[in-house]
Amino acid sequence: AQTVTQSQPEMSVQEAETVTLSCTYDTSENNYYLFWYKQPPSRQMILVIRQEAYKQQNATENRFSVNFQKAAKSFSLKISDSQLGDTAMYFCAFMKNTGNQFYFGTGTSLTVIP
Amino acid sequence: GAVVSQHPSWVICKSGTSVKIECRSLDFQATTMFWYRQFPKQSLMLMATSNEGSKATYEQGVEKDKFLINHASLTLSTLTVTSAHPEDSSFYICSARGGATPTDTQYFGPGTRLTVL
Repeated sequence: AQTVTQSQPEMSVQEAETVTLSCTYDTSENNYYLFWYKQPPSRQMILVIRQEAYKQQNATENRFSVNFQKAAKSFSLKISDSQLGDTAMYFCAFMKNTGNQFYFGTGTSLTVIP
Repeated sequence: GAVVSQHPSWVICKSGTSVKIECRSLDFQATTMFWYRQFPKQSLMLMATSNEGSKATYEQGVEKDKFLINHASLTLSTLTVTSAHPEDSSFYICSARGGATPTDTQYFGPGTRLTVL
């Protein structure tokens, strides 16, 4: 079975600062995908970033980057130059290489403070 | 990016009635759609996977007779909560996958808040 753990229920960061959200997972799969999704107050789930497990290079998307440590089964999200619009719930998610089902973590509520 | 809509965005119904929620892919054809349930301050839990023209696959513990899923076209899937009870009150989210590859991007709808009185 796959499990995804987010150990930080709530976090806050000053505007323009950098924050890192933690995520660990457990799986016996060797090929899989990892995701970070953002759910703002509107409740719309938005894909932030995606990482293929077979790629050693960490994924980046503008101000968002990940630190993927496959051996440690760790997948943290770094948000640089935090903006007020980054305030949201962030979910880490795992998907097997065979696809279909997301396994979501319990989420981290991030508040960006002006 | 691809857009997925849900209707209604919120609904209040009396206990014992049935409620239908629609999920539409607006600018792409979705061979597979997924239905999730999210309780307050909790994560999304997959309820079922819906493929166009075939029966939905339900996750363990989800009552298929209570949560009826129909995926009649490549752009529309519906979830009907039959004989709703207060414990069915939740946030229901659909997602749609346009490609044939299982790991193609899934696009999420904005969700439907169901309150059963």
